[in-house]
Amino acid sequence: EVHLVESGGALVHPGRSLRLSCATSGFSFGDYAMTWVRQAPGRGLEWVGFIRSKPYSGATEYAASVKGRFTISRDDSKSIAYLQMNSLKTEDTAVYYCILPWDYWGQGTLVTVSS
Amino acid sequence: DIQMTQSPSSLSASVGDRVTITCRTSQSINNNLNWYQQRPEKAPRLLISAAYTLISGVPSRFSGSGSGTDFTLTISSLQAEDFATYFCQQAHSVPYTFGQGTKLEI
Repeated sequence: EVHLVESGGALVHPGRSLRLSCATSGFSFGDYAMTWVRQAPGRGLEWVGFIRSKPYSGATEYAASVKGRFTISRDDSKSIAYLQMNSLKTEDTAVYYCILPWDYWGQGTLVTVSS
Repeated sequence: DIQMTQSPSSLSASVGDRVTITCRTSQSINNNLNWYQQRPEKAPRLLISAAYTLISGVPSRFSGSGSGTDFTLTISSLQAEDFATYFCQQAHSVPYTFGQGTKLEI
């Protein structure tokens, strides 16, 4: 059974950094792209970005709203995906979901950016 | 970027009703459209992929149709557990975009 568990969400001040983790199990992690999506409180869903699998170069793509500030990486030996978030803004406040596109979603982790 | 227009934004209905939610995209996405259900405080759940493919375990009262730029999610006979928010999403090209959501209420 596929499991995705996000962690690392916290309350942080604007301008600070935070790294989210997505621990996975139940599938061959190295064979799949992984995606991050976020949802601001009471709002809709916003795609953040994804990382391809190593056979497909492990390349990344990002939403314009986070490009240059966020970095997605992966550790295939640990079956974990990461979302490094730098220069955080108040508008980054959201629940962040890790996804094995598009069937499997984690439970989400809350990031609050506030002074 | 592909723009998504989902309607209605909210919908009042009763158990047993047939409801339809529509999603229109700003350019053709072939059939690369997903539908999700989200209950309060829960992660979205994929209901339908590729416009009309019902995900395993999803009740058959859910169905999807459409291609190109116009898509529809239909619930043939509402059950109490169907009252939730529904989102469409295009999986055709980056950046993947979502509809604004339809809140289905009693």
